[in-house]
Amino acid sequence: KNQVEQSPQSLIILEGKNCTLQCNYTVSPFSNLRWYKQDTGRGPVSLTIMTFSENTKSNGRYTATLDADTKQSSLHITASQLSDSASYICVVSSSNDMRFGAGTRLTVKP
Amino acid sequence: IAGITQAPTSQILAAGRRMTLRCTQDMRHNAMYWYRQDLGLGLRLIHYSNTAGTTGKGEVPDGYSVSRANTDDFPLTLASAVPSQTSVYFCASSEVAGAISANYGYTFGSGTRLTVV
Repeated sequence: KNQVEQSPQSLIILEGKNCTLQCNYTVSPFSNLRWYKQDTGRGPVSLTIMTFSENTKSNGRYTATLDADTKQSSLHITASQLSDSASYICVVSSSNDMRFGAGTRLTVKP
Repeated sequence: IAGITQAPTSQILAAGRRMTLRCTQDMRHNAMYWYRQDLGLGLRLIHYSNTAGTTGKGEVPDGYSVSRANTDDFPLTLASAVPSQTSVYFCASSEVAGAISANYGYTFGSGTRLTVV
């Protein structure tokens, strides 16, 4: 079982709508959690990073939340744009390891 | 533009053949990594190098080898390719080794799509 589980696997929304992606993890001890955006045919690019003491972090229309007690994170995208179509990957680090989720494939349609 | 260059972009390879995937960075990052990305799975670490002259095994090292003769280059070699090595391969770098702390991030290349037939 992967130590980082993301849901949904894929999501289709209309342009302008909001959406929320989920990440549950079992990685321990926890160090930090990153969300990456991966465009088709490209490498992942970091969106946000949160440590244990942070429970929310924003980057433009992207807002990540973290609940270290329940080991859950979410990525909320506001007022989606066509350019938001991509895979979103949750990455959780412990003191000596880094685990990637399988990603959520988001498609924004006009 | 500073970053990571991977070559080739894609390759179809006959099983049993030898292949080297190239990775070059121009950011003078100390640490470099090779990952493979398969459908439905998260990126998995193949090999890493904390600094020039050193390498280490990741989660899925079998069938792969690496070298780190200098800071900038980190080639990945498949000595005798098998179909299960069909994947997208990403090279990444970070300023310092063990860059799992919040202070450092990874820079990824654009990937090499390898198909072994």
